[in-house]
Amino acid sequence: KTQVEQSPQSLVVRQGENCVLQCNYSVTPDNHLRWFKQDTGKGLVSLTVLVHENDKTSNGRYSATLDKDAKHSTLHITATLLDDTATYICVVGDRGSALGRLHFGAGTQLIVIP
Amino acid sequence: EAAVTQSPRSKVAVTGGKVTLSCHQTNNHDYMYWYRQDTGHGLRLIHYSYVADSTEKGDIPDGYKASRPSQENFSLILELASLSQTAVYFCASSDNLGGHEQYFGPGTRLTVL
Repeated sequence: KTQVEQSPQSLVVRQGENCVLQCNYSVTPDNHLRWFKQDTGKGLVSLTVLVHENDKTSNGRYSATLDKDAKHSTLHITATLLDDTATYICVVGDRGSALGRLHFGAGTQLIVIP
Repeated sequence: EAAVTQSPRSKVAVTGGKVTLSCHQTNNHDYMYWYRQDTGHGLRLIHYSYVADSTEKGDIPDGYKASRPSQENFSLILELASLSQTAVYFCASSDNLGGHEQYFGPGTRLTVL
């Protein structure tokens, strides 16, 4: 059973618009949650990591929230650019060490059009 | 300069043939991982290693072997490639400290015909 669900599956926005990506999970324990950006044909690049209950992070135009009670995270992208076109992947780690497992969502495909 | 590299970047193999995917990291990390990515699904862990000359099974090891001849290199071996192994394969590395951030290679697209 998929333990990390992302929505929407795909999203098309116009350049300059804001967008919100959702991640719901059932992984237990949930040590941390990380958002990755995957450009077409490339590897995963970390955008941000959330660790604590009600964590909020900001990395330029990317900001993220985590609600561990609800097992839910959001990734906000402000003033989208064409280069934001990519797949965004939510990953939940069940431990804070390399011995833990990472649980990957299937990703949200974001397409930014002019 | 890329810290995790993979070769080849793409490969077409025939059913029943042997395939070796290679991964090299310059992060000086102890841990290395092999994942596969299928369309519409999240990455799944095939094998991993936390020290040279030792490998561990991940969540979907059947049909795959792994080899870690040195800290820098980690290979994934398909002895008898099958159609179901068509996927994109990612290698990653991480240190053994807290935080557990994995650094990913660019991926290898494998097509088995």
